[in-house]
Amino acid sequence: QQPVQSPQAVILREGEDAVINCSSSKALYSVHWYRQKHGEAPVFLMILLKGGEQKGHEKISASFNEKKQQSSLYLTASQLSYSGTYFCGTVMDSNYQLIWGAGTKLIIKP
Amino acid sequence: DGGITQSPKYLFRKEGQNVTLSCEQNLNHDAMYWYRQDPGQGLRLIYYSQIVNDFQKGDIAEGYSVSREKKESFPLTVTSAQKNPTAFYLCASSIDFQGNENTEAFFGQGTRLTVV
Repeated sequence: QQPVQSPQAVILREGEDAVINCSSSKALYSVHWYRQKHGEAPVFLMILLKGGEQKGHEKISASFNEKKQQSSLYLTASQLSYSGTYFCGTVMDSNYQLIWGAGTKLIIKP
Repeated sequence: DGGITQSPKYLFRKEGQNVTLSCEQNLNHDAMYWYRQDPGQGLRLIYYSQIVNDFQKGDIAEGYSVSREKKESFPLTVTSAQKNPTAFYLCASSIDFQGNENTEAFFGQGTRLTVV
C-alpha cells in the first residue's frame, strides 16, 4: 500500500527543473507533499484532494491525476534551498490513514 | 509562538531499558502522531491519537506504548520489547485527523534514539 516515489534521487544544477512522481495502486482521496532537510523535521508543502485543482505557488506546484492514482510535484527553476528529501503521503478512501512514500532525494548544485 | 516540541534531541539507552520520548504541542490540535524514520525509508506510523484519552496502533506499534492524558502531550515509551529501537522518532500534530483538507501536519524536530 506504500506509494511509490520516482525517481529515488536526482541531482540538478541551480535553475533547472525537476519532476517528482508519487504513484499508488489504490484509489486515492488525497496526496500530501512534504520536504525534509537532513536531520530536520519534514515541512508541509501542499495537500491535493480528489477532485481538486492543481495547486502551487510560483515555482513549486503539484498535480493529482485521479485516474492514474498519481501525483506529480513540479519544481521550476530550482534554487539551492530546494535541496532535501521530498516525501509524498497518500490517503485512501477506505481508512483515511496517511501512508508515506520512501522519499526522493533532491540535490541542487550551484 | 505555537509549535510542537520534542525532547530530548539525542538519547542513548542501554539494551533492556525502557525510555520515554516527550512530545508537547501548543497548537490546540486534536490529532497527534508518532512516526519512526529509518535511513532511506519513509515515515512509518507507530501510534496516533485523534482525541484525548484515545489512541490507536499504527503499522509498527509492537514494542511501543503511548498515553494521551492531556491534549497537549503525547509521550512515547520505547520498551525493552522493541527489538531494533535505534532510529529517528518524529512526533506530529494536526488540527484534524489525516485525510481532510486542513490536516497539514506540524512536526517536532525529532529525537534520535541510539541503543548501546
